This record gives sequence, C-alpha cells and structure tokens, in this order.
Amino acid sequence: ELKVEQNPLFLSMQEGKNYTIYCNYSTTSDRLYWYRQDPGKSLESLFVLLSNGAVKQEGRLMASLDTKARLSTLHITAAVHDLSATYFCAVATSGTYKYIFGTGTRLKVLA
Amino acid sequence: DGGITQSPKYLFRKEGQNVTLSCEQNLNHDAMYWYRQDPGQGLRLIYYSQIVNDFQKGDIAEGYSVSREKKESFPLTVTSAQKNPTAFYLCASGTGGGGNTIYFGEGSWLTVV
Repeated sequence: ELKVEQNPLFLSMQEGKNYTIYCNYSTTSDRLYWYRQDPGKSLESLFVLLSNGAVKQEGRLMASLDTKARLSTLHITAAVHDLSATYFCAVATSGTYKYIFGTGTRLKVLA
Repeated sequence: DGGITQSPKYLFRKEGQNVTLSCEQNLNHDAMYWYRQDPGQGLRLIYYSQIVNDFQKGDIAEGYSVSREKKESFPLTVTSAQKNPTAFYLCASGTGGGGNTIYFGEGSWLTVV
C-alpha cells in the first residue's frame, strides 16, 4: 500500500528565512505533485515532477524529485507572509490513476 | 468557463439521512476523484473513476457510494452507514495516467447534526 509522509507537519518561520519541506513515499513512483491549500479553500496545483532529478521553480518555491530515495523536497527561499498555507505532496502509483496525498505541512510565515 | 463545479458548498443534514454531493466538470477529463478532508488533516481517497460506468474504491469507501453515468458527472452519496460524515469533501478530475496533475473543485462542507 502506498504511503506518503511529509515533515514537518507544522512550520513557523520568520520572513526572509529559508526552509525545506520533505515528502517521502513508500513505493516506486515517478510522478509527484505539490499543491497549496489556503484555509477553508480548495487545493491549487503548484508543481508536477515526472522524472528522477526533476526540478521545478516558481518564485520563491523550488521542488525536486529523487525517485531512488523516494523523496521530494519543496524549498522555500526568503519566505514572505503570502506563502503561509498548507502544502501537500501527492504521489500517483505507476500505471494507475490513483493519487495519494501526504499529511500536509502547515506553514506560517511570521512578519 | 472551464472547471470543476461542486454543489452545494455547505450542507447540513440530520444523522441517519443520506446526502448526495454533486460534482460536474467541463474539462473533458476522463478521470474523476472524491477525497475527504477532516479539519487540520490530509486528504483521503474515497472513490475514483477512470472512465464512464467504471469506478474503484479508494482507502475509505465504506459508507459512501458513487456513480459515473456521464463523463462530466461523478456524484457522491454519503449514506447513513458512514459513521462520521462531517467533513470537507473535494472532487477532482484529470486526464488520468501519463503524469498529468489533477485539478480540484471548490469543495463541499458537510455537517451532520
């Protein structure tokens, strides 16, 4: 059974600081997705990572994928308050349509 | 506008009643999904469908039922057998397989009293 774990679960950081969120998954997959959720809202797609070594960047966020380690990271550079949200990674099992989500990381950026 | 429409956004029901949540998409996506989210928690997969007239159970299907009679529609019924139905329900759709992401509707808040 595919399991997806994120850490940390909660992250409080100062504006201007850097930090990394980790996403580990339990079975072979080369498809990993990152989403953002604001409180009380739906999920917004951030990144799609489809191969080992894939790296995507958008603004202050950069995501990478290491399929051999079954690990993805979401790196935050010089955090700003607007990045405060919950971030989820999701993995799609190879050959299936099934997308399993991680536990989420609730990020709070303090001014 | 293209997108995924869920209704109702807020729903209150008495314990023991069945309730159906609607999900419609006009993105021509083959695959559709239902997830449940409890406050402060992650998303858990209830059911998913790859094509019309076919669907599979997710990790928490007990107490729920779905149908997929049309490509555009994937309604979810929360039955009285679901012991703790109060939650935020999210519908999603995607082209399926091939590495494409899935997109979410705005969600439906269900409160059972």
